Amino acid sequence: AQSVTQLGSHVSVSEGALVLLRCNYSSSVPPYLFWYVQYPNQGLQLLLKYTTGATLVKGINGFEAEFKKSETSFHLTKPSAHMSDAAEYFCAVNDGNQGGKLIFGQGTELSVKP
Amino acid sequence: ETGVTQTPRHLVMGMTNKKSLKCEQHLGHNAMYWYKQSAKKPLELMFVYSLEERVENNSVPSRFSPECPNSSHLFLHLHTLQPEDSALYLCASSPRGQGGYTFGSGTRLTVV
Repeated sequence: AQSVTQLGSHVSVSEGALVLLRCNYSSSVPPYLFWYVQYPNQGLQLLLKYTTGATLVKGINGFEAEFKKSETSFHLTKPSAHMSDAAEYFCAVNDGNQGGKLIFGQGTELSVKP
Repeated sequence: ETGVTQTPRHLVMGMTNKKSLKCEQHLGHNAMYWYKQSAKKPLELMFVYSLEERVENNSVPSRFSPECPNSSHLFLHLHTLQPEDSALYLCASSPRGQGGYTFGSGTRLTVV
């Protein structure tokens, strides 16, 4: 069965510092992986996704993630944090069937200190 | 605007009221979902509709009743709710295959 684990429910960084949000997955089929961002009282917005091809995926707002099959990881990074990056981030994996259902991680809240 | 529209954005209702949440998408997606998001809790998948047929119901109390009249519209009918049902209710849709979800902005529900 598919599952997603996000390490750290809360991450705090200083403005300008590296952002690293960790995601590990378990999948019985080649995974499709996603990162979503949620700002307060909003829905989730797709940041980036990995389906096939290049393992380094670039997304919106300067974020990127690298699919590492050997480590079953899909960590999200951004070289320099901005105050506007403060939000909740969710990693997700496809459920392994032909439908579009996703399995979400618990979420990581990112705080950015001035 | 994401392509998935939820109305209303905010709703306050008494425990004896009946109300409905609406979700609409015109992205050509064939699956739609209802999620509940409570403070400090993970996303809870409530219902899944694929091609207008309910394919998943995750032990949701009967006071929540979904309806999917066509592939573009999804409703969540609410009646005799409890204060613990107060949460952000999110609708999402997805295409056939593995393209990921598009979410609406959610309905913030408060039960008093």
